Amino acid sequence: KQEVTQIPAALSVPEGENLVLNCSFTDSAIYNLQWFRQDPGKGLTSLLLIQSSQREQTSGRLNASLDKSSGRSTLYIAASQPGDSATYLCAVRDSNYQLIWGAGTKLIIKP
Amino acid sequence: KAGVTQTPRYLIKTRGQQVTLSCSPISGHRSVSWYQQTPGQGLQFLFEYFSETQRNKGNFPGRFSGRQFSNSRSEMNVSTLELGDSALYLCASSLVASGSLGTGELFFGEGSRLTVL
Repeated sequence: KQEVTQIPAALSVPEGENLVLNCSFTDSAIYNLQWFRQDPGKGLTSLLLIQSSQREQTSGRLNASLDKSSGRSTLYIAASQPGDSATYLCAVRDSNYQLIWGAGTKLIIKP
Repeated sequence: KAGVTQTPRYLIKTRGQQVTLSCSPISGHRSVSWYQQTPGQGLQFLFEYFSETQRNKGNFPGRFSGRQFSNSRSEMNVSTLELGDSALYLCASSLVASGSLGTGELFFGEGSRLTVL
C-alpha cells in the first residue's frame, strides 16, 4: 500500500532564504507526482507536475525533482518571500491511478 | 478562462440530513474528482468521473455518492449525515481521466466547507 510522507510538518525561515521541502513515498510504481500549495481555508493550487519518466520540473522560483528509485521528491523554493507562506502538499498517482496524499508541510516565511 | 467552481462554499446541516454539492470543471475538462479534507485524516479521495462514468472510487461508505452530467458538471451527495462528515470537500478537474496518457494535472476549486451539527 502506497504511503506518502512529508517532513518536516512545519518549517519557519527568514525571507530571502532558499529552502527544500521533502516528500517520500513507499512504492516506486507511480505514474506521476504533483506538488500543490494550500492557503488557509482555500482550495489547492497546482505548482508542478512531474511524470514518472521525468527527473525534474521548474516554474519560476520553484524546482521539483523526482527520484523514483529512492522514493523521493523535493520542492526547492528559491529566494523565499512572505507570500510563499502556505501549506505545501505532494500527491502521487499510484498504480491504481488513485492520488495518495502527504500530510503537508506548513511553511512560514518571516519578513 | 474560468477555474473550477464549487457551490455552495459554506453550509451547515444537522445529523441525519442529506447534502448535495456541485462542481463545474474548467471548460473542456471532462474528468472531475472529489476529495474530503479533514484535520485528522488529511486529504482522501472520494471518486472520479469521466464522461458521465465513475472511473474510480475511494474507501468511503455508500452514503457518499456522485454523478456527472453531459456538460461535465458533477455533483456529490452525502446522505444521513454524521458529525464526522464535517470537512472541506474539494473538487478537481482534469483534461483527461486518471488512467489516460497525458499530463493528468489536477486543478482544484475553492471547496465546500460542510459543518454537521
